Amino acid sequence: EVQLVQSGAEVKKTGESLTISCQVSGYTFSSYWIGWVRQMPGKGLEWMGVIYPGDSDTRYSPSFQGQVTISADKSISTAYLQWTSLKASDTAVYYCARHSSSSGTVDWGQGTLLIVSS
Amino acid sequence: QPVLTQSSSASASLGSSVKLTCTLDSGHTSYVIAWHQQQPGMAPRYLMKVEGPSGIYNRVSGVPDRFSGSSSGADRYLTISNLQSEDEADYYCETWDNNIRFFGGGTRLTVL
Repeated sequence: EVQLVQSGAEVKKTGESLTISCQVSGYTFSSYWIGWVRQMPGKGLEWMGVIYPGDSDTRYSPSFQGQVTISADKSISTAYLQWTSLKASDTAVYYCARHSSSSGTVDWGQGTLLIVSS
Repeated sequence: QPVLTQSSSASASLGSSVKLTCTLDSGHTSYVIAWHQQQPGMAPRYLMKVEGPSGIYNRVSGVPDRFSGSSSGADRYLTISNLQSEDEADYYCETWDNNIRFFGGGTRLTVL
């Protein structure tokens, strides 16, 4: 069974840094693109970017380029989403997701709630 | 890049059927799309992919056969028959191009 297990909810202050994680099991981590999706309160899904753990090829949505960093550690089958300086507008739920090149986003993590306040 | 357009809301009665639409922009009318369901307070759930223009769909294991997909030109459809209360959710379509992903704005389905 494929599982994507994300780290727990975070409450941070503006300007702080943060890394959230997504540990996967049930498939070969290196063989599928894994991405991050933002959902702001009451809003739709926004695709942020993706990494191919096999060779660390990483791509970002223009809206998120330079705002976050996506990385992965093959040795522990874990993907990461990192901020260096949080803003209040980063308050959202963040989902990691396994992408299939032919079928779409086939598996989702449970989501990580991030609240950023001043 | 592909653009996906969905109606913001839809409603139908318990036990009836509803057809949700996702429209691809011109230039991307042949793209495959995926449908996702997001129940209130939950993570999204992958339902199926729908190929265009054939309309062939592949529903994932565990999704009731009340859910089906189809296609016509630039439109991709998700039809839910015999609506149940648990079908009340947001439904998103997704497509992709060279491993970049694109989501529609989502349709909120209300079961009356």
